[in-house]
Amino acid sequence: DGGITQSPKYLFRKEGQNVTLSCEQNLNHDAMYWYRQDPGQGLRLIYYSQIVNDFQKGDIAEGYSVSREKKESFPLTVTSAQKNPTAFYLCASSANRDSHNEQFFGPGTRLTVL
Amino acid sequence: QKEVEQDPGPLSVPEGAIVSLNCTYSNSAFQYFMWYRQYSRKGPELLMYTYSSGNKEDGRFTAQVDKSSKYISLFIRDSQPSDSATYLCAMSGTSYGKLTFGQGTILTVHP
Repeated sequence: DGGITQSPKYLFRKEGQNVTLSCEQNLNHDAMYWYRQDPGQGLRLIYYSQIVNDFQKGDIAEGYSVSREKKESFPLTVTSAQKNPTAFYLCASSANRDSHNEQFFGPGTRLTVL
Repeated sequence: QKEVEQDPGPLSVPEGAIVSLNCTYSNSAFQYFMWYRQYSRKGPELLMYTYSSGNKEDGRFTAQVDKSSKYISLFIRDSQPSDSATYLCAMSGTSYGKLTFGQGTILTVHP
């Protein structure tokens, strides 16, 4: 089955620790995205990548980092510099430059900082 | 002021009702409009996709765009309990641009 997988589903982190969220897709999509979702605020774009080995900051990139070494993988690291990391994190992908609007989402990772 | 405004609800309707969900926006460059449905603790799924003004129908769902008023709507006919979810509007200025999302409206359809 084609799709987007995110792991883990739930993640707990102590303050001051970095943590990496996994996102993998087997849809052969060029573009991948990371969003953060907080109650009552919709989705906010953290980082996106339109092609392997290239990525751009979204609206709330501070305290996060990404890499795109393989087409199918786009891991997100939440660093200790992120002041309020507790949130629901969503990864998405889209086929190519002309269909970036049609984004397909993974099931999400819920991160809680203790 | 946010670029996209969406009434967060919550909205509660009886089964069989017609539901109207709405978003307003301020950026006149937006041309591509989407509605996503998100069940609790799941990722959003694309429901409707429209370009520019006009209507688009898919089964019980109708998406409407009025660019002159900067207003989009999603209508759900004969609503079912399985329609209970959060509905997010999203829009973009180009076919490959970043999406800007509304806050989402929580809908509950009770039997």
